[in-house]
Amino acid sequence: DAGVIQSPRHEVTEMGQEVTLRCKPISGHDYLFWYRQTMMRGLELLIYFNNNVPIDDSGMPEDRFSAKMPNASFSTLKIQPSEPRDSAVYFCASSFSTPRNEQFFGPGTRLTVL
Amino acid sequence: ILNVEQSPQSLHVQEGDSTNFTCSFPSSNFYALHWYRWETAKSPEALFVMTLNGDEKKKGRISATLNTKEGYSYLYIKGSQPEDSATYLCAFQDGMRFGAGTRLTVKP
Repeated sequence: DAGVIQSPRHEVTEMGQEVTLRCKPISGHDYLFWYRQTMMRGLELLIYFNNNVPIDDSGMPEDRFSAKMPNASFSTLKIQPSEPRDSAVYFCASSFSTPRNEQFFGPGTRLTVL
Repeated sequence: ILNVEQSPQSLHVQEGDSTNFTCSFPSSNFYALHWYRWETAKSPEALFVMTLNGDEKKKGRISATLNTKEGYSYLYIKGSQPEDSATYLCAFQDGMRFGAGTRLTVKP
């Protein structure tokens, strides 16, 4: 398996623009997690899905952030409008069967908002 | 303890030394504790998921123990090698609350 795939790997955009980050989980995994990593706050869970349904979105910072999982093999994290403080590395991870199983992380998307 | 705390923040050891770090977490409503290894410029890699009080898990030279009643887990590395240099993160599964990590540097 190719592992968790994220795109793009790097994104540079200007404040106010819409940003869409993409994730393809490992085939067969039914849990998908979105994380954000910053120097100030470390690694934080934003939202996670089970069988394409959002289970816990309490980590989503504000209404500018939204996440969808239209099918088992694709998820998006959208920021609209983007702000400089959204600059971070965004990771997607997936796990199988139960959230207690180990999570497999994608390579991350480094977002820079100017 | 409301947050997940890891100590020490960083550690420098010589090749061949054995070492250990601590993860402290809330002792109530325990679900699971995850340990990850995170090398610079890479993504976190799962080491262990621990679910039962008294759990002890081992992978090669790395092992971990869990005490849910008092809210701590230890990670041990026996005979450290330079390739063990990384940040070791623990995460308390209430959502997923991560500690700040222990940055290990192993000198040849």
